[in-house]
Amino acid sequence: DTEVTQTPKHLVMGMTNKKSLKCEQHMGHRAMYWYKQKAKKPPELMFVYSYEKLSINESVPSRFSPECPNSSLLNLHLHALQPEDSALYLCASSPIPGQGSYEQYFGPGTRLTVT
Amino acid sequence: EDQVTQSPEALRLQEGESSSLNCSYTVSGLRGLFWYRQDPGKGPEFLFTLYSAGEEKEKERLKATLTKKESFLHITAPKPEDSATYLCAVQAYRREGKLIFGQGTTLQVKP
Repeated sequence: DTEVTQTPKHLVMGMTNKKSLKCEQHMGHRAMYWYKQKAKKPPELMFVYSYEKLSINESVPSRFSPECPNSSLLNLHLHALQPEDSALYLCASSPIPGQGSYEQYFGPGTRLTVT
Repeated sequence: EDQVTQSPEALRLQEGESSSLNCSYTVSGLRGLFWYRQDPGKGPEFLFTLYSAGEEKEKERLKATLTKKESFLHITAPKPEDSATYLCAVQAYRREGKLIFGQGTTLQVKP
């Protein structure tokens, strides 16, 4: 099973709202990722968690706050977003290098619209 | 600087008309090169990982190859359901976990 699930599928929020995106995987992967994807562009890396610890933050604004409660779950907390933050937010997971493969498996994404 | 360039940006084929997509890369210490397929509004679907020059992988009508400077995704006798955006990405040893993506090639296969 190579499934990564994300909820919700769609989210509309105002600039003063607080919301969270959720991601779950049951493949035993120990690395999890958040990406942002704008229309007709490739995914852009935001955060990487390795063994539940934040290992990469690609200079993401503090209005995006990631959290990794356990090895299967990844959250992205959103607060005071701007309209330009509207995008498809993708979660991915991968085995830790050294365990044979490095490919990342992506979830279906959350389509976020900020009004 | 690590960089990935895909060509062409868009490709229109008739059903059954074979072709190739190109992914040129420059990276210091290639850990792996990855091909993904992405349908509109959905997450990328993993297709192949290539680790070293000369390696080839196949899946149904798709075949991926790798040299020291580029990778090709060959599509043999495509069908309309192969229509999608194909993304190429590389990962460097020194940037563990970070994928450098190309801009993608959007393929349309007409019946």
